[in-house]
Amino acid sequence: GAVVSQHPSWVICKSGTSVKIECRSLDFQATTMFWYRQFPKQSLMLMATSNEGSKATYEQGVEKDKFLINHASLTLSTLTVTSAHPEDSSFYICSARDGTGDTEAFFGQGTRLTVV
Amino acid sequence: GQNIDQPTEMTATEGAIVQINCTYQTSGFNGLFWYQQHAGEAPTFLSYNVLDGLEEKGRFSSFLSRSKGYSYLLLKELQMKDSASYLCAVLDSNYQLIWGAGTKLIIKP
Repeated sequence: GAVVSQHPSWVICKSGTSVKIECRSLDFQATTMFWYRQFPKQSLMLMATSNEGSKATYEQGVEKDKFLINHASLTLSTLTVTSAHPEDSSFYICSARDGTGDTEAFFGQGTRLTVV
Repeated sequence: GQNIDQPTEMTATEGAIVQINCTYQTSGFNGLFWYQQHAGEAPTFLSYNVLDGLEEKGRFSSFLSRSKGYSYLLLKELQMKDSASYLCAVLDSNYQLIWGAGTKLIIKP
């Protein structure tokens, strides 16, 4: 199957700093990328959907000024957690699909963010 | 609203068979996915159903009934490595993936 590479796998940062997470589709063009957050023992929660070259669509309750998403190319999307706080500590996962339609979503490896 | 229901937790014995059910009510339907997720890792794709019936893939099979809004994932010859969460997800009319909360499967020797 297609490969989605997410980096870094884990990161520890100080409260108040910003963290950038990258998501790359390695062997296909990801017209749509999704960013999810998952707290321990909970389900995946969609944060936002981004289409290449346009602004991301955020889910209700997700602060777009805090979670900056950039999808500048068909192979790269980034999520920046700005002014991180301990409650932002979570597992962040990106997912990409090739075009719209009934194709499966390929997941990155996930990033475990710990804010201290 | 959109809703996907699956059991929170199930326990089964190594070598046995287990069926994980998923029922859904969504705005439109463009397919149903099953994913496996080990603790601390990203989900991995298991199966995709868009037509009614059973899709078999090795030890795993997935069934879909669109009229009943129902699917199940069948795991045969269970192995200890099958201990994981199994996520049911439906592609709605806008091609958005709607996720179930996942079923934690515990395999006992």
